[in-house]
Amino acid sequence: GAGVSQTPSNKVTEKGKYVELRCDPISGHTALYWYRQSLGQGPEFLIYFQGTGAADDSGLPNDRFFAVRPEGSVSTLKIQRTERGDSAVYLCASSLTQGVNEQFFGPGTRLTVL
Amino acid sequence: AQKVTQAQTEISVVEKEDVTLDCVYETRDTTYYLFWYKQPPSGELVFLIRRNSFDEQNEISGRYSWNFQKSTSSFNFTITASQVVDSAVYFCALSERGSTLGRLYFGRGTQLTVWP
Repeated sequence: GAGVSQTPSNKVTEKGKYVELRCDPISGHTALYWYRQSLGQGPEFLIYFQGTGAADDSGLPNDRFFAVRPEGSVSTLKIQRTERGDSAVYLCASSLTQGVNEQFFGPGTRLTVL
Repeated sequence: AQKVTQAQTEISVVEKEDVTLDCVYETRDTTYYLFWYKQPPSGELVFLIRRNSFDEQNEISGRYSWNFQKSTSSFNFTITASQVVDSAVYFCALSERGSTLGRLYFGRGTQLTVWP
């Protein structure tokens, strides 16, 4: 079956612009996670959804970052007023249920803020 | 403080050599889970193993083996008879029972290069 997909694969934007990153989890997976991976670092947790609700958004760095999952499937990570420090690979992962199940990761979106 | 430490930033070996990737973790939870993921050059993280804190038995899967020692808070990963296709960044990760279930804390990763 299809894995986790993320679009776009690459996004180049200018400082101050607004961007949206999309994640399509594996069908039937209720848990969805967003992570951010900077160059040479491990992924860092941003936000976790169980169904439609954000169960834990404590990893979002500031209020410029927001994520939604309105129908409990596709999720969108939104970044307002982008800054150069937001440049990173944004990874999405899904798992069958909440808990410490295997997380399946997507290929990521590489965001570059000029 | 870093919850997962992978002290080896880069390791280079020649094909057929054995190699061990170190992982040291820190948690106050008595129930926790440890993971290893592989990130090949394509970038997609691939799950390798999950181990819970109550199961200290070592595990072997083909050329891969894992040594979990609670006494030293370590969860090391050994590749036997390494192959060029093993070249990747390997991440150790921790999930704690006390925080959001499933939230992973990753180490900084170890870049493994296997030369032919």
